[in-house]
Amino acid sequence: GAGVSQTPSNKVTEKGKYVELRCDPISGHTALYWYRQSLGQGPEFLIYFQGTGAADDSGLPNDRFFAVRPEGSVSTLKIQRTERGDSAVYLCASSLGTARNTGELFFGEGSRLTVL
Amino acid sequence: AQTVTQSQPEMSVQEAETVTLSCTYDTSESNYYLFWYKQPPSRQMILVIRQEAYKQQNATENRFSVNFQKAAKSFSLKISDSQLGDTAMYFCAFLGAQKLVFGQGTRLTINP
Repeated sequence: GAGVSQTPSNKVTEKGKYVELRCDPISGHTALYWYRQSLGQGPEFLIYFQGTGAADDSGLPNDRFFAVRPEGSVSTLKIQRTERGDSAVYLCASSLGTARNTGELFFGEGSRLTVL
Repeated sequence: AQTVTQSQPEMSVQEAETVTLSCTYDTSESNYYLFWYKQPPSRQMILVIRQEAYKQQNATENRFSVNFQKAAKSFSLKISDSQLGDTAMYFCAFLGAQKLVFGQGTRLTINP
């Protein structure tokens, strides 16, 4: 596609359930980033992939959060045993090469997760 | 670790006026990028303007310009001839050797 695509756009789940959020980056972009944006806040870094490997996962808040990118394109963010505090918009971004070299990230429209 | 601070949670101006949004950052790196992103209710982050730290000249994109003061670690955004469509959240962001770090945002409202 022309841009970064994220699905679902909105997800409502119950506390304790498992959730998967998908990100389809711009074709050919090797770098992929996940951010979490709580209401009224700036996005917070979660994890960064370069190709298939997680180059930096220092932003994942705990072991309930996990992300994969098995073929170096689509990425899935997985949240186990969801808690109400996980409610947020999860943003995905991609860049050609590393953002550090290109100086540009392209963002999707995010997936809004609501945990009841 | 890098930090980005936006000290104005909300701002409001009349259409056609000029408005300046403030941003300061903290880093020990010498080579980096600074950005201003716009986030309308659609949630998508839209790049407004970008500045490379090694360039002394302030970046300009049509009605948007920045005042980059490297020594002071300040990076403000000026919007001239503001339009109703400029209403949005604006985020300042820093990109160094690691990940993109965002400020807390400024909610800008342009009134008719």
